[in-house]
Formats: sequence, structure tokens, C-alpha cells
Amino acid sequence: NAGVTQTPKFRVLKTGQSMTLLCAQDMNHEYMYWYRQDPGMGLRLIHYSVGEGTTAKGEVPDGYNVSRLKKQNFLLGLESAAPSQTSVYFCASSYLGTNTEAFFGQGTRLTVV
Amino acid sequence: GENVEQHPSTLSVQEGDSAVIKCTYSDSASNYFPWYKQELGKGPQLIIDIRSNVGEKKDQRIAVTLNKTAKHFSLHITETQPEDSAVYFCAASKSNNNDMRFGAGTRLTVKP
Repeated sequence: NAGVTQTPKFRVLKTGQSMTLLCAQDMNHEYMYWYRQDPGMGLRLIHYSVGEGTTAKGEVPDGYNVSRLKKQNFLLGLESAAPSQTSVYFCASSYLGTNTEAFFGQGTRLTVV
Repeated sequence: GENVEQHPSTLSVQEGDSAVIKCTYSDSASNYFPWYKQELGKGPQLIIDIRSNVGEKKDQRIAVTLNKTAKHFSLHITETQPEDSAVYFCAASKSNNNDMRFGAGTRLTVKP
């Protein structure tokens, strides 16, 4: 049972480039989330999904887009990367929303130069 | 929106001592308070949580207390071991709201 898997684990982008981060979960969870983690700021919610075909904005959504075409996958896109998007990105999933345990992936370290 | 503050940002204790991490929250409607442990190079992992209808919860060497009136909750680790060294995050959320807010984290170091 793999849990939550993120791809890739590391990436370096040039300013203006685009990329997609993939999150896959095998726990049949309805809820999925994308967070960014910056030093001294904890985890901040970028976007989330409450089920297949749905997405919603979190605390810091600007510059990111997401899609949930399949229940097990949640994609995070950066259309035009900026140095301010240098961060560690975590995907998480949960069974019944944020009032239940969230299971996190191992993170993607993204550097934008 | 909810604001969660966490103290201290770093904590160093001797093996066998106790460690306490404190968090305050701003939204009185918050009713779920989890604690996550993040080891180096890994994602956060839930270690204990508490809901607003309970004042204290214990799981072996780990306990969490909640004071709803003062809007603060604390993580207590007793008999600390080197493997407890990690970054700990508190968080707060409320029903029907998918935006869980995290504290900034506490880096705990347990010296052997």
C-alpha cells in the first residue's frame, strides 16, 4: 500500500517555464490537497478537491492551477514559474475532509531560478 | 480566517526530559486540532489529535491538552528519545471548512 505518491521529488525550473506536479493516492480518499511549505511559515493550502471533477482555491492559489480528472490523481500546474514559487510542495489526502487525518506525500522540492 | 501561532520555534532537550509545544488559535469555531511530526526529507505524519469536546488525550508518551476558553492547545512529550527529534506542527480546522491552518512548526532536538 503506497499511500500518497508525488512525482517528481526534485525539479529546477527557469523563470517563465511551466510544469505539472503529480499526486497519486491509493486509499480511495475523496479529499485531496496541495500545500506549499516555506521556512518559518508552516504549510499553506494552495488548492484542494472534495471529489473527482471538483477543485477549489485555498489560502494561496495565485499562480497555480489544479485538476482532478480521476479520483486517485490530483495535478498541480505552474503555468509561468516565478522565483517566489520556490518551495517544497506537499500533496495530501483524507477520507472525510480536514477534520480527519491527512496523509501526506514525501514532497517535491522545486527551485525556480 | 483562522490564525495559528506556535511556540517555541526551536526546542532542545536532554534525552529523558519532557518537551512541551504550545499553540494558540483565533477562530472559536475551530473544533479539530491535530499534531503532525515531520522527519527530515519526509512528509508530515499525524501523531495525535484532539476534538473540541475533549480536554485531554494521551497516547503512550504523547499527550495533547486543549483549553477552548483560552483558545490554546499543547503537545506534551514525556521521556523523550533521540528518535523524537523532528519538526512538529500544530493545526486547527472546523467542520465544513476545508482550509486547515498550520502553525509555523517547532524543531525539536533531543540530545542523547
